[in-house]
Amino acid sequence: ELKVEQNPLFLSMQEGKNYTIYCNYSTTSDRLYWYRQDPGKSLESLFVLLSNGAVKQEGRLMASLDTKARLSTLHITAAVHDLSATYFCAVDSGGSNYKLTFGKGTLLTVNP
Amino acid sequence: SQTIHQWPATLVQPVGSPLSLECTVEGTSNPNLYWYRQAAGRGLQLLFYSVGIGQISSEVPQNLSASRPQDRQFILSSKKLLLSDSGFYLCAWGRDNTDTQYFGPGTRLTVL
Repeated sequence: ELKVEQNPLFLSMQEGKNYTIYCNYSTTSDRLYWYRQDPGKSLESLFVLLSNGAVKQEGRLMASLDTKARLSTLHITAAVHDLSATYFCAVDSGGSNYKLTFGKGTLLTVNP
Repeated sequence: SQTIHQWPATLVQPVGSPLSLECTVEGTSNPNLYWYRQAAGRGLQLLFYSVGIGQISSEVPQNLSASRPQDRQFILSSKKLLLSDSGFYLCAWGRDNTDTQYFGPGTRLTVL
């Protein structure tokens, strides 16, 4: 059974600081997805990582994938208050059904 | 462009009452469709997925059921709701694992 673990689960940051969220998964997969969820809202896609060594960047967020280590990171650079949200990683469990297993999410709070 | 709709947006139901949540997708054909539940504002649990009309796979045994009467319509039902059915229900569609899953706006269900 595929297990996806995120850490930390709670992260409080100061504006302007850098930090990294980690996503570990238990079985082989080379497809990983990052989502953002604002309070009371649905999920918004951030990044799709489809191969070992993949790196994607959008604004102050950068995601990477190391399939050998079964690890993805979401790096936050110079955080701003607007980045406050819950961030989820999800891993494709394989097969043709395209099922995703989600981590528990990281609640990020950026303080002024 | 593709859009995904869910209704109702909010629902308050008594224990033991029936449930019907609807999800429709526009702008694409033969999508994979998914029902997720998010309890207590955290992780997502995959409930059902469908790869075609009339084809439903259940991930978690419970008192919920799903149906796909049309290509772009996915319905979540229950004959008798339990308190533990409360949560945020999200419908999503996807094409294949080279792209993300796209989430609808969600239905917030409270069972009293």
